[in-house]
Amino acid sequence: DAGVIQSPRHEVTEMGQEVTLRCKPISGHDYLFWYRQTMMRGLELLIYFNNNVPIDDSGMPEDRFSAKMPNASFSTLKIQPSEPRDSAVYFCASSYRRGAVPNEQFFGPGTRLTVL
Amino acid sequence: GNSVTQMEGPVTLSEEAFLTINCTYTATGYPSLFWYVQYPGEGLQLLLKATKADDKGSNKGFEATYRKETTSFHLEKGSVQVSDSAVYFCALSDQTTDKLIFGTGTRLQVFP
Repeated sequence: DAGVIQSPRHEVTEMGQEVTLRCKPISGHDYLFWYRQTMMRGLELLIYFNNNVPIDDSGMPEDRFSAKMPNASFSTLKIQPSEPRDSAVYFCASSYRRGAVPNEQFFGPGTRLTVL
Repeated sequence: GNSVTQMEGPVTLSEEAFLTINCTYTATGYPSLFWYVQYPGEGLQLLLKATKADDKGSNKGFEATYRKETTSFHLEKGSVQVSDSAVYFCALSDQTTDKLIFGTGTRLQVFP
């Protein structure tokens, strides 16, 4: 089992450039979550999908951020244009739900984004 | 709304010391409770979980008991090792949504 796969692992870009982060969830999982982690703000949920449909994007900081899930095995988080304050570690996580009890989320290794 | 409060860190211990990291929660309904661990440079990993009152989750020598009467889920380990140094997150998930509500994390540093 490969777990949640994220790419790239590290990204360094200049202010104003477009950044695309990618995630492949665990096969069979029907929920996908995008988080951002910084020292100042801790771990923040940005958006999550169920069966490829965005359910809650209230954590997306502004219109510069967008996320898509075109199929069950792939999701992207895009920042355009990027700004230095977007520098953070971005995590993708997936989970599944069977019955009434929510199951745990499985996290990817993260993408460390640095915007200069 | 739902929330999780956990003790401020860092917690600094000597190897083989007893560990407690406090976690309390506020939630409607009957949430599931989790402890996640994040080692340096890695993503979060599930450490243990409990899905109903009085359940005890355990893994790798760590334990936590779901206490509904005190709305708590404190993490304990009888003898910590240097390799336990990490950040520990308490979290809850209610049955109406699969979002996890995380605490702010507690950094544990264990010295030989």
